[in-house]
Amino acid sequence: AQTVTQSQPEMSVQEAETVTLSCTYDTSESDYYLFWYKQPPSRQMILVIRQEAYKQQNATENRFSVNFQKAAKSFSLKISDSQLGDAAMYFCAYTSNTGKLIFGQGTTLQVKP
Amino acid sequence: EAGVAQSPRYKIIEKRQSVAFWCNPISGHATLYWYQQILGQGPKLLIQFQNNGVVDDSQLPKDRFSAERLKGVDSTLKIQPAKLEDSAVYLCASSPLGIGTDTQYFGPGTRLTVL
Repeated sequence: AQTVTQSQPEMSVQEAETVTLSCTYDTSESDYYLFWYKQPPSRQMILVIRQEAYKQQNATENRFSVNFQKAAKSFSLKISDSQLGDAAMYFCAYTSNTGKLIFGQGTTLQVKP
Repeated sequence: EAGVAQSPRYKIIEKRQSVAFWCNPISGHATLYWYQQILGQGPKLLIQFQNNGVVDDSQLPKDRFSAERLKGVDSTLKIQPAKLEDSAVYLCASSPLGIGTDTQYFGPGTRLTVL
């Protein structure tokens, strides 16, 4: 069975600094997709960034980038120039081609002014 | 473009009572998902619909939970009877095709408290 593990329950970062959130996963599939979702307090979950497993190039979306290490089954999220609005719970998620998302336990990110 | 709508936003019930949640996905999205998010945990898929057919309900506690998606659009999730451990946020999501490359769009969720 596929699993997703986030080992950092809480992280904090100073505004304008860079922070990295960790995620590892386990799967026997060769074709899959990885995501980072953001869930602000009392607000809807939104997609931050996605990575296709067959792509070697790491995905980037503005201040958000990933470090995808397929052999190590590692998928970390780097947030550069952190902003107060980045404070939220961040979930790492996995899917094969079924669409069903398997989520990690989440990391609460605090941004200090 | 309107997002995923859910109602009610909050519900408080006694154990052994029944409760129903409603979800209206984004127009044109074939796939609808119900997730259960217990406080402090990541969401867990309960059921996935493709149009009005069930794709995956392997983690749905079928002795007390039921769900339907009439006409392949709106969906309702019912719990009967509720237990204390059902206290959670119930998230509805939809996506265009139900494949790995899709983006899932989430609703605001229904927070259920079972006393």
